[in-house]
Amino acid sequence: GAGVSQSPSNKVTEKGKDVELRCDPISGHTALYWYRQSLGQGLEFLIYFQGNSAPDKSGLPSDRFSAERTGGSVSTLTIQRTQQEDSAVYLCASSLRVLLDGYTFGSGTRLTVV
Amino acid sequence: TQLLEQSPQFLSIQEGENLTVYCNSSSVFSSLQWYRQEPGEGPVLLVTVVTGGEVKKLKRLTFQFGDARKDSSLHITAAQPGDTGLYLCAGRRGGGSNYKLTFGKGTLLTVNP
Repeated sequence: GAGVSQSPSNKVTEKGKDVELRCDPISGHTALYWYRQSLGQGLEFLIYFQGNSAPDKSGLPSDRFSAERTGGSVSTLTIQRTQQEDSAVYLCASSLRVLLDGYTFGSGTRLTVV
Repeated sequence: TQLLEQSPQFLSIQEGENLTVYCNSSSVFSSLQWYRQEPGEGPVLLVTVVTGGEVKKLKRLTFQFGDARKDSSLHITAAQPGDTGLYLCAGRRGGGSNYKLTFGKGTLLTVNP
């Protein structure tokens, strides 16, 4: 596609429920990143994919968080048993040349856990 | 401890004024990028600087990378309301984690008409 697409744009969920956030990167971009943006915290790295592999999962906050990427394209970030502290904007980004290019971000998913 | 410190955190100015925002670190970066983010949108890349002392200009925006590649600045001349947004700097540390960008917390700029 022309840009990075994320869905849903907004998600309100009850504490304890599971949520899935989807990212559709730019076609041909092999690198895909998930970040979390909270008020006053800046952008926090979550996970990096190169193709379908995730060589760096070091930013996932707990084992309630998982992510996968299929076909070298779409990625899904899953949060199980959501907690109020999971409320944030989840941003997905992709890039073509990992070490040279900047990121192209999607518009994010605003997650609110009530 | 934040790897990249941005200052000021908030800046509110009148249209036509000049301003400078800063991005500082005690660490060396192989490259540094600046992004602008508007409400409800993801950050958009403005520029990449890779060489110590490098200066890049983008219309009324001037970006500078410090000689030691530890800091950067963004100067805006004759600011306009359309410049309003959150300005983020992000750096690549080099080495094994060079794929990953580390972001500062940003400077929230408001330009009043």
